Amino acid sequence: EAEVAQSPRYKITEKSQAVAFWCDPISGHATLYWYRQILGQGPELLVQFQDESVVDDSQLPKDRFSAERLKGVDSTLKIQPAELGDSAMYLCASSLRDRGFVEAFFGQGTRLTVV
Amino acid sequence: KQEVTQIPAALSVPEGENLVLNCSFTDSAIYNLQWFRQDPGKGLTSLLLIQSSQREQTSGRLNASLDKSSGRSTLYIAASQPGDSATYLCAASGPDMRFGAGTRLTVKP
Repeated sequence: EAEVAQSPRYKITEKSQAVAFWCDPISGHATLYWYRQILGQGPELLVQFQDESVVDDSQLPKDRFSAERLKGVDSTLKIQPAELGDSAMYLCASSLRDRGFVEAFFGQGTRLTVV
Repeated sequence: KQEVTQIPAALSVPEGENLVLNCSFTDSAIYNLQWFRQDPGKGLTSLLLIQSSQREQTSGRLNASLDKSSGRSTLYIAASQPGDSATYLCAASGPDMRFGAGTRLTVKP
């Protein structure tokens, strides 16, 4: 069964260091999402791609976060420099968008701890 | 911007009870409403998806309904079991996909 792949599963980094997360969506899914989920809260959309284009990054802290999806397939989310408040689960999802039908599938997430 | 609210935030029930989780959304121009389950420290697993033209969807002991005009969806779980203990999240999909904060369910043996 096709899955969304994310790596690493866990990451511990020191404050002010750079960190990167990788996501490989389900083959053929044009839409890719990155979410941040703080413990006890719902996922918050950081950035949404349609193919290689960003369609929504209104909640992405652009002074320290960047995201790219070269060639419209896999994607990387980067944080530089990391801050203590960035500790969270980072979730990637992908979906088809077919005549208004959107079914999203999620990866297992990357748990980031900033110390 | 779409806002999604889930009530209650937490729920604890004895095994065997039927229960209802609620989800409301502010913008009725959605494509579909999707319910997910999340176990501690894990990603999200899709349970049910209701398209905007549908009223309900069923999968086993789960039934989800959608009233788009009033901006509400409910997830009904029949004969709850300890293995149902998890956080349940709803997501409203339109141009983007927005989540509620979830309902943390505990089913006691």
